[in-house]
This record gives sequence, C-alpha cells and structure tokens, in this order.
Amino acid sequence: GNSVTQMEGPVTLSEEAFLTINCTYTATGYPSLFWYVQYPGEGLQLLLKATKADDKGSNKGFEATYRKETTSFHLEKGSVQVSDSAVYFCALSSKGGSNYKLTFGKGTLLTVNP
Amino acid sequence: KAGVTQTPRYLIKTRGQQVTLSCSPISGHRSVSWYQQTPGQGLQFLFEYFSETQRNKGNFPGRFSGRQFSNSRSEMNVSTLELGDSALYLCATGGQGENGELFFGEGSRLTVL
Repeated sequence: GNSVTQMEGPVTLSEEAFLTINCTYTATGYPSLFWYVQYPGEGLQLLLKATKADDKGSNKGFEATYRKETTSFHLEKGSVQVSDSAVYFCALSSKGGSNYKLTFGKGTLLTVNP
Repeated sequence: KAGVTQTPRYLIKTRGQQVTLSCSPISGHRSVSWYQQTPGQGLQFLFEYFSETQRNKGNFPGRFSGRQFSNSRSEMNVSTLELGDSALYLCATGGQGENGELFFGEGSRLTVL
C-alpha cells in the first residue's frame, strides 16, 4: 500500500534560517505529491504540489522537487519567518484511483523563533 | 468562493453516545472526504463520497459511517463512542479541475469523556 514517511520533529529554527523537512514515499505507479500546512486552530491548506517526476512545486518561498529516483519530495525554504510556524504534512494521491484519497505523513511541527 | 464549512466546531460526548458531524463543500465540489486527526496516529482517511456514493473507505470499524446528499453536503456518524474516538475530524472537498487538490474545513473537535 501507499505510505509517506517524513521527519517528525519538532523542528525549532531562528528567523531567517534555512529549512528542510524530509519526505519519502512508497506508492505504486506515479503519484501526485503535496505539502499541506496546518496553522494553529485551523484546517489544512495546500502549500504546494507536483504531479510528475522532476516537477518543482513552489509557493510563499517554499519549494519541493518530485524525485522519482529517490522517491522523495523534500520541503525547503531559504529563510523562514516567525509566521511560518505551523505543522507541515507531506501527502500523496495515487493515479488510477480516486484523486481525492490522500495518504499523509505524520506531520512535522515547525517553530520559528524571532 | 466560500470555503468548506464544518459543524459543529467543538463537541463533548460521553462513552456510548453517538455523534453526527456535518460538512458543506465548496460550491461545485462533488467529492467529500473525511479524515480523523489524532496526536498518535496523525491523519487517517475515513471515507470518500462522490455523487452520493461511497467511493473509498479507510480502515475503521463499522461504527463510523457517512452519507452524502444530493446537494453534495455530507454527514458522518460515529455510534457507541469510545474514548479513543476523541479527535479532530476534518472534511475535505475536491472538484474537477482541481488536480487532486483537497480543500479542508477547520474541523470538528470531538472529545469523548
């Protein structure tokens, strides 16, 4: 079956530090890959996505590249801000099945200190 | 466009009771999925409905059920509540042209005492 493994953290950084959150996956075929973010007290919001190998998703300074050879989709940001403090989830959906069934990693809590 | 609306936002029940949660999707979205979020297990898929039909189901006991109405609104029901059912229940909706992206509501936080 499908699975997503991401570093669980928590991760604590100072403002303007570089962020990497690792994510690897197991899936049949060629899944679509997503990063969702959950701010305190809120639901999940899509941060970025990639639908095929070598695609790079980007949004709000965050980037992730779909690496089929290493089955990875690591999230990076060059300079984090206090407002980036949240829980980040890596997720996949399998092609061929329902596009609306996502498999999530366990989430990584990021805290950015001023 | 208006977002995904879940009601109620918070509720407290006791063991053995049952609960019904509601989700109103974004206009035009016909797929509604439900997820359970707990600190220990993370986000787990419960089920997905599309055009009033259950299209996918996760690995949860039969106490968890759902349905979708003709206007795409969905409800999920948990019967004979257990302490372990305490969780944030998230509804997510999707539509054609969204490339598989799901739009989440803020969730219903259920506490079972």
